[in-house]
Amino acid sequence: GAGVSQSPSNKVTEKGKDVELRCDPISGHTALYWYRQRLGQGLEFLIYFQGNSAPDKSGLPSDRFSAERTGESVSTLTIQRTQQEDSAVYLCASSSRQATEAFFGQGTRLTVV
Amino acid sequence: DQQVKQNSPSLSVQEGRISILNCDYTNSMFDYFLWYKKYPAEGPTFLISISSIKDKNEDGRFTVFLNKSAKHLSLHIVPSQPGDSAVYFCAASLRGAQKLVFGQGTRLTINP
Repeated sequence: GAGVSQSPSNKVTEKGKDVELRCDPISGHTALYWYRQRLGQGLEFLIYFQGNSAPDKSGLPSDRFSAERTGESVSTLTIQRTQQEDSAVYLCASSSRQATEAFFGQGTRLTVV
Repeated sequence: DQQVKQNSPSLSVQEGRISILNCDYTNSMFDYFLWYKKYPAEGPTFLISISSIKDKNEDGRFTVFLNKSAKHLSLHIVPSQPGDSAVYFCAASLRGAQKLVFGQGTRLTINP
């Protein structure tokens, strides 16, 4: 596909369980971002990968959150021991080195019950 | 520390009139600014951008204005159409970096 793809589109999980969210960026895009949007809130930066540089993890809210990216391909965001406040739409975006515009996926709606 | 702020959570405009969405930022090092549009259950889509070396960029019905001295940018939509009803986010990035910092968003409603 031509766009950023995220899976699953919806995830309901029990409090305390671990979840893994996946992002397939646009082919050739060196930069990849994770954001989340809680209900009624703006876009909250979580983590940023740029090529082989060390990721900017300054937005991760706690050590329960981690993300990996292999090269310039797929990224996974892992949330351990989920809490109800983790409920949000998790958005992934990618951009090329030459451009600053980031292209977003449709998001994963996470609900922790 | 909210570096990019959209102080109006919502805006309602009559169809055909001009919509003006505002955004303020605090970091004078930001050198690139963007507007995104988001419909429910979809990811944000890029709308228009402006570099700090310009003060205006126009694309069809959409114009973005940048006032660097005031650290303020605005998005003008004219004429407004019902399909413009969405949440609009402004974003900014720092020189040399591509990380985008977003505002909280403004929900625009265009009334027929």
